[in-house]
Amino acid sequence: DTGVSQNPRHKITKRGQNVTFRCDPISEHNRLYWYRQTLGQGPEFLTYFQNEAQLEKSRLLSDRFSAERPKGSFSTLEIQRTEQGDSAMYLCASSRLLAGGPYEQYFGPGTRLTVT
Amino acid sequence: AQKVTQAQTEISVVEKEDVTLDCVYETRDTTYYLFWYKQPPSGELVFLIRRNSFDEQNEISGRYSWNFQKSTSSFNFTITASQVVDSAVYFCALINQTGANNLFFGTGTRLTVIP
Repeated sequence: DTGVSQNPRHKITKRGQNVTFRCDPISEHNRLYWYRQTLGQGPEFLTYFQNEAQLEKSRLLSDRFSAERPKGSFSTLEIQRTEQGDSAMYLCASSRLLAGGPYEQYFGPGTRLTVT
Repeated sequence: AQKVTQAQTEISVVEKEDVTLDCVYETRDTTYYLFWYKQPPSGELVFLIRRNSFDEQNEISGRYSWNFQKSTSSFNFTITASQVVDSAVYFCALINQTGANNLFFGTGTRLTVIP
């Protein structure tokens, strides 16, 4: 079983630019989550997918953020017109959906975004 | 509403000492799940344990043990005979049965084990 992978691992961008991150979940996991973690804090929920459907978005996800999961496999998170406040670690996690759940989420290594 | 509180921001212990990390949670759901994750300096969150709200049995896994007490809404984590490799930030988290089933994390406890 390969784990959750994320690309790129680091991204430095100038304010106002668009960025896109990719997450490849564990292959048999049908749930995929995006979180954001800032320094000294725990991760905060952004959005999640069950298969290809995006079922919930947090208030943290402004209209500059969009996420997709075409065909229920990998997912992308795009941030348009980046702001310095977007600087954070963006984490992706995946989990199974079975009776008796929800089950533990397995996290990728994250993408660290720095907006200058 | 839900909340996870980890009152200990940082703890330092000398190698081989035992250490307990505290976690107190709040939720309105009657069915919920509690988790501990470890975030070593490399940054990747590592799953340690999952506990559901109807199972108050304590659990031991090697040097790790967890004490779940519903009466005090606590889910504490003890490391016995700590080692330098245990140095990390430890997060307690909660998932409600209803809703997105997303993790609500505490702010974490940074554990430093001094050789």
